[in-house]
Amino acid sequence: AQRVTQPEKLLSVFKGAPVELKCNYSYSGSPELFWYVQYSRQRLQLLLRHISRESIKGFTADLNKGETSFHLKKPFAQEEDSAMYYCALSGVTSGTYKYIFGTGTRLKVLA
Amino acid sequence: NAGVTQTPKFRVLKTGQSMTLLCAQDMNHEYMYWYRQDPGMGLRLIHYSVGEGTTAKGEVPDGYNVSRLKKQNFLLGLESAAPSQTSVYFCASSYSTRGVYTEAFFGQGTRLTVV
Repeated sequence: AQRVTQPEKLLSVFKGAPVELKCNYSYSGSPELFWYVQYSRQRLQLLLRHISRESIKGFTADLNKGETSFHLKKPFAQEEDSAMYYCALSGVTSGTYKYIFGTGTRLKVLA
Repeated sequence: NAGVTQTPKFRVLKTGQSMTLLCAQDMNHEYMYWYRQDPGMGLRLIHYSVGEGTTAKGEVPDGYNVSRLKKQNFLLGLESAAPSQTSVYFCASSYSTRGVYTEAFFGQGTRLTVV
């Protein structure tokens, strides 16, 4: 079954500490993978996608097909990074299109 | 360019009432989605559409119906609202190009309370 798993509901770190938000996926095909961010009471917005291989706001994510993971990392957390983060995948398997999200991880960066 | 617009932004319903949420996108996207967002549950897909005139069930379709009569609009209906449908509803749209699926663009959300 297609699934996106984010094992941590809440992650608290101090400002300046490294951050890693975990994402694992299960998909019988070649999905596109994304990280979205939702700041307080705002709409979700794309943070980054795996095919771009870029760094946005200091965040990076590497697709590990062997481990079926797409963890989000940032070397030094900032208070403005506090938000809800969702991992998502999209793609086609057996002729059916899917776009599904994980349950999200709330990141709190403490001063 | 408005992107994805949801109407209304807030609504309070009594149990058993019906309502329709409207999602409109002006980006000519093929795919449209309705999600609900609940604490601890993340985003769950209710229904989606891969093109005008087509709809498909997502993870949690029960109690909802959808229609996509025009490419730019995706309607979500609640025929008989229940307190369990109290949630924040998000609409999104996306497209594919050369077999690559783009990110989803989201509306601002509709906060629905069923009392």
